[in-house]
Amino acid sequence: TQLLEQSPQFLSIQEGENLTVYCNSSSVFSSLQWYRQEPGEGPVLLVTVVTGGEVKKLKRLTFQFGDARKDSSLHITAAQPGDTGLYLCGHPTSYGKLTFGQGTILTVHP
Amino acid sequence: KAGVTQTPRYLIKTRGQQVTLSCSPISGHRSVSWYQQTPGQGLQFLFEYFSETQRNKGNFPGRFSGRQFSNSRSEMNVSTLELGDSALYLCASSVNMNTEAFFGQGTRLTVV
Repeated sequence: TQLLEQSPQFLSIQEGENLTVYCNSSSVFSSLQWYRQEPGEGPVLLVTVVTGGEVKKLKRLTFQFGDARKDSSLHITAAQPGDTGLYLCGHPTSYGKLTFGQGTILTVHP
Repeated sequence: KAGVTQTPRYLIKTRGQQVTLSCSPISGHRSVSWYQQTPGQGLQFLFEYFSETQRNKGNFPGRFSGRQFSNSRSEMNVSTLELGDSALYLCASSVNMNTEAFFGQGTRLTVV
């Protein structure tokens, strides 16, 4: 089983601050996905990264896949209260199975 | 296009009872996966169905079972409920494996 370690587990910041969430493993991945889950909802896919060194941007969110494809990061610029939620990294393995990290609970205070 | 629908949204059951949860995938999606989410263990894969066949199974006891119907709707059943089964149960549908998975809102099961 390819384990994913996310850090930090909890993040509480003020509106306007920047933050970075990390997803690490000792295994090489063909792809990594990032999800956001809001209270009372299921996870929603934000991005899939597949190429080592790849950088993808989604408005104020920047996703990076490590050169060796063993790690990834999510950077949020000028966080807003609407960014509050659980951020999960995951990767698809065998049939229909996604393996997730433990997640990072982000709280952005107005 | 309608999303993934899970029913019921909330459920309270007593230890020893059994429960059935339902998931209606997005129209045209034939793959349905189930996950259990708890604060301690995070999101754990239960099983995946495609065209009424279970193709993959996670590390859960035999009390957890599922099935898929010809219209791709899926149900999961948990028998002899234990307190530790209290969790958010999520279903995800996709066209096939390795395509984007769309999650439902989940069923919050509380076992008392």
